[in-house]
Amino acid sequence: AQTVTQSQPEMSVQEAETVTLSCTYDTSESDYYLFWYKQPPSRQMILVIRQEAYKQQNATENRFSVNFQKAAKSFSLKISDSQLGDAAMYFCAYTALNAGNMLTFGGGTRLMVKP
Amino acid sequence: ETGVTQSPTHLIKTRGQQVTLRCSSQSGHNTVSWYQQALGQGPQFIFQYYREEENGRGNFPPRFSGLQFPNYSSELNVNALELDDSALYLCASSLAGARSTEAFFGQGTRLTVV
Repeated sequence: AQTVTQSQPEMSVQEAETVTLSCTYDTSESDYYLFWYKQPPSRQMILVIRQEAYKQQNATENRFSVNFQKAAKSFSLKISDSQLGDAAMYFCAYTALNAGNMLTFGGGTRLMVKP
Repeated sequence: ETGVTQSPTHLIKTRGQQVTLRCSSQSGHNTVSWYQQALGQGPQFIFQYYREEENGRGNFPPRFSGLQFPNYSSELNVNALELDDSALYLCASSLAGARSTEAFFGQGTRLTVV
């Protein structure tokens, strides 16, 4: 069974600084997707960034980038120039390519942004 | 806004009762997945529906059941409610068959069992 682990229950960052959230996963599949989702107090899960396992290049979306280490099964999220609106719960998630978007989530990291 | 809507937003039920939660998927999406998110935890996959058939199921008992309709909207039914069923229930819609895949989530239904 696949598992996703986020070892940081809470993280704090100063506004405009950079923060990195950690995620490790376990799978026997060779082709899969990894995601970072943001969940603000409004509760709606918002996709932040997506990585396809067969792509060696790390995904980037504006201020958000990932460090994908396939051999180590590690998938960290870096947020640059942190903004107050980045404060939220962040969840790392996994799905196998043939799993039809059935997501396995980690336990989440609460990110606080200090002004 | 993702175009995925869930109703109701909040619900209070008594232990032993039955509940039905509803999800309207994003236009063009043919797959709906349901997740249970207990307080302070990550979402747990309940099941997925594709073309009105259950397409996969997580580790949830049979009293959790669902339906998908021809317009791809979906229902989650929970019988014999237990206190531990108190959680945020999220639905997500996606398009099966596309390699570049993304799930769009609704805002969830907060269920409290007393």
